[in-house]
Amino acid sequence: GAVVSQHPSWVICKSGTSVKIECRSLDFQATTMFWYRQFPKQSLMLMATSNEGSKATYEQGVEKDKFLINHASLTLSTLTVTSAHPEDSSFYICSALGTQGHQPQHFGDGTRLSIL
Amino acid sequence: QKEVEQNSGPLSVPEGAIASLNCTYSDRGSQSFFWYRQYSGKSPELIMFIYSNGDKEDGRFTAQLNKASQYVSLLIRDSQPSDSATYLCAVYDPRSNTGKLIFGQGTTLQVKP
Repeated sequence: GAVVSQHPSWVICKSGTSVKIECRSLDFQATTMFWYRQFPKQSLMLMATSNEGSKATYEQGVEKDKFLINHASLTLSTLTVTSAHPEDSSFYICSALGTQGHQPQHFGDGTRLSIL
Repeated sequence: QKEVEQNSGPLSVPEGAIASLNCTYSDRGSQSFFWYRQYSGKSPELIMFIYSNGDKEDGRFTAQLNKASQYVSLLIRDSQPSDSATYLCAVYDPRSNTGKLIFGQGTTLQVKP
């Protein structure tokens, strides 16, 4: 149980392109999803918390107009990196949290984004 | 002081030995604790979670929680080379009502054949 699917796994695209990443909870309803970014040999960095049906809460220093998050249903959240540039190249990982208290976050497999 | 602290390592143990990974946290209000394993280039994978003082065992893994001393540890018995990874300690942020996690920087474990 507790499977989180993230798609795509890899994206390589030109600078200026917008990229959408999907995160789905396959076997449970996720009221809350989280988006992280991780640079090589560094820790996970939380970008934003996404709640179904409401606006995402962004961490300090994360540009909300750059990283658009939509959590339209209890099983799907999307992150769109708008007008991506080489410095946005990173490993983006989502996680999902079920509706019951004190449950662990379950992570998707991550999306490796490379902007040329 | 960091909210969740781990020794970054690397911790090197021989195959078959017990690996002991430690984590301390600063907020006494913390209630829920998690251990994740992250292989290089992969996303974190949940190993164990613990909420109550004492030990919790799952196969070769044992999580230990001591709230009075504010530490949580992970023991890996009969360590295998496939256990070589970075182990992340995470704590629910007690100031958040969204299940937000605070991560330690991770301990790199190397199990040598």
